[in-house]
Amino acid sequence: EIVLTQSPDFQSVTPKEKVTITCRASQYIGSSLHWYQQKPDQSPKLLIKFASQAFSGVPSRFSGSGSGTDFTLTISSLEAEDAATYYCHQSSNFPFTFGGGTKVEIK
Amino acid sequence: QVQLVQSGSELKKPGASVKVSCKASGYNFNSYSIHWVRQAPGQGLEWMGWINTKTGNPAYAQDFTGRLVFSLDTSVSTTYLQISSLKAEDTAVYYCAREKNYMDVWGKGTTVTVSS
Repeated sequence: EIVLTQSPDFQSVTPKEKVTITCRASQYIGSSLHWYQQKPDQSPKLLIKFASQAFSGVPSRFSGSGSGTDFTLTISSLEAEDAATYYCHQSSNFPFTFGGGTKVEIK
Repeated sequence: QVQLVQSGSELKKPGASVKVSCKASGYNFNSYSIHWVRQAPGQGLEWMGWINTKTGNPAYAQDFTGRLVFSLDTSVSTTYLQISSLKAEDTAVYYCAREKNYMDVWGKGTTVTVSS
């Protein structure tokens, strides 16, 4: 099973600040890494597919990078509505797996 | 529009079974697999498995083998998740999501509470 390790677990950030979340895979997964945003009492929403491709309708402040085993989600200028938990997910190998999540709080 | 509509909340006793439905609309049902993901209270996302909507073949995560059944009714574009021998630890929100390499559309989730 591929383990995805996210860091940090929690981040408290002021609006307009840049946010960086990392996701490390326990083995090579190419670009089969996707990022989701989940707000309280809502289902996850796809933000980034295949490591760096923004999903339709996602604000341009969200971007992804990386390949192989190391990946990054960046929010270039945090807005209040971005308060959420962010998860990475790999679809390279079964079983599919998710990272443990990074909770982003607005200061 | 494209959506997955899940059945309502369930309250079950330990040892019972539950069946959750996920009805697809707005797209060709056979073109995407359906995956099931659960989230225990205050916890992260846990992948449970998936079903191929063309063939009906399911595959289950190892942690759930033996207690889980995925099924289809293609006539109504609906996928089902059945969990047997429920335990308190199965208390969670269960999501279905359509997938073609990534999960782009999710249901709103079905809360299953297991309590005596």
